[in-house]
Amino acid sequence: DQQVKQNSPSLSVQEGRISILNCDYTNSMFDYFLWYKKYPAEGPTFLISISSIKDKNEDGRFTVFLNKSAKHLSLHIVPSQPGDSAVYFCAASARGRDDKIIFGKGTRLHILP
Amino acid sequence: DVKVTQSSRYLVKRTGEKVFLECVQDMDHENMFWYRQDPGLGLRLIYFSYDVKMKEKGDIPEGYSVSREKKERFSLILESASTNQTSMYLCASISTGSIRGTDTQYFGPGTRLTVL
Repeated sequence: DQQVKQNSPSLSVQEGRISILNCDYTNSMFDYFLWYKKYPAEGPTFLISISSIKDKNEDGRFTVFLNKSAKHLSLHIVPSQPGDSAVYFCAASARGRDDKIIFGKGTRLHILP
Repeated sequence: DVKVTQSSRYLVKRTGEKVFLECVQDMDHENMFWYRQDPGLGLRLIYFSYDVKMKEKGDIPEGYSVSREKKERFSLILESASTNQTSMYLCASISTGSIRGTDTQYFGPGTRLTVL
């Protein structure tokens, strides 16, 4: 049973346009959400996060939106740049001592010239 | 600058061999994790540890064991490697209670293991 779902395995976006990556979750106990970016042959790196008490968090070109009623979050990248081509993982965690993070399967983003 | 290091970037082993993957972090983090990444399956948690000598099974612990004798080191062991364990293995660490703060989970560079 997948608790964090990224239904688009890949996405292609023109350079300069907005990239929107989507993520759905099923566990209503999740209260913290993260996005990671991963290049081939490297470990994932943290990109941006959001707590369930917020509905938006912005950091430069990256904005994460959280819709708790729909159990949906999205990552917006604007404007998209060639270096944004990577796999993006959505992740979530629930209150508890083990701080386990549940990851989605990832979405591969291709930025087209 | 947080550093999570893994002993090997690439490893090739034969079926049935015992394999040790080592992970070391230098930030005095309590929690450490082992994941594997496979195409189309994302990141899947194998084992994690929230303290020295403590370990918890993740989502796919079968075929693996772990060791946490020192706080900074978390080892993943494949007792008898099989071809379906060919994968990218990622270690991560985070300090307790910081997951909802400004810190986050830090990953090592990964070990690509091929089992022949």
